[in-house]
Amino acid sequence: AQSVSQHNHHVILSEAASLELGCNYSYGGTVNLFWYVQYPGQHLQLLLKYFSGDPLVKGIKGFEAEFIKSKFSFNLRKPSVQWSDTAEYFCAVNGGSQGNLIFGKGTKLSVKP
Amino acid sequence: KAGVTQTPRYLIKTRGQQVTLSCSPISGHRSVSWYQQTPGQGLQFLFEYFSETQRNKGNFPGRFSGRQFSNSRSEMNVSTLELGDSALYLCASSLVAGGPINEQFFGPGTRLTVL
Repeated sequence: AQSVSQHNHHVILSEAASLELGCNYSYGGTVNLFWYVQYPGQHLQLLLKYFSGDPLVKGIKGFEAEFIKSKFSFNLRKPSVQWSDTAEYFCAVNGGSQGNLIFGKGTKLSVKP
Repeated sequence: KAGVTQTPRYLIKTRGQQVTLSCSPISGHRSVSWYQQTPGQGLQFLFEYFSETQRNKGNFPGRFSGRQFSNSRSEMNVSTLELGDSALYLCASSLVAGGPINEQFFGPGTRLTVL
């Protein structure tokens, strides 16, 4: 069965610190990978996605993620976080023709001003 | 372009009752998926509809059901509510179902509280 693991439950950083959130997935075939963000009181929004091609994908708000197939990983990075990045971040995967997303449990990011 | 809308936004029910939640997808989107979000279990997939047909179903009991109408609007129903059904129910729409262009857009959710 497909599954997604996010290693950190809660990350606390100071502004300007670099961010890396881990995500590993379990799936044997072709996968599509996503990072979603949920700001306090707001909808889930897509940060970035990987379908194929360049394994380093860039998303909105300065976020990027790298797909490493051999490690089944899709880690999210940002070189310098801002207070406004405080949110919960979800890694998700769907495979092949499957439409539904399998989500990780989420990582709560708190950025101290 | 209007986003995904869900009604009602908040709902309070008692155990044993049933509830119907509604979702209107983005105009032109034909696929609707439903998810349950709880602090303990995170986001879990309930079901996916495309062109009025259920394409996929998650691991939830039969008390959870859904349907999709010809205008792509979708409803989900939970019968015989239990305390554990308290959650945020999210609807997501996409142009098509599955495949690499399946980018899902989420609504604000319906917060269901079961007393």
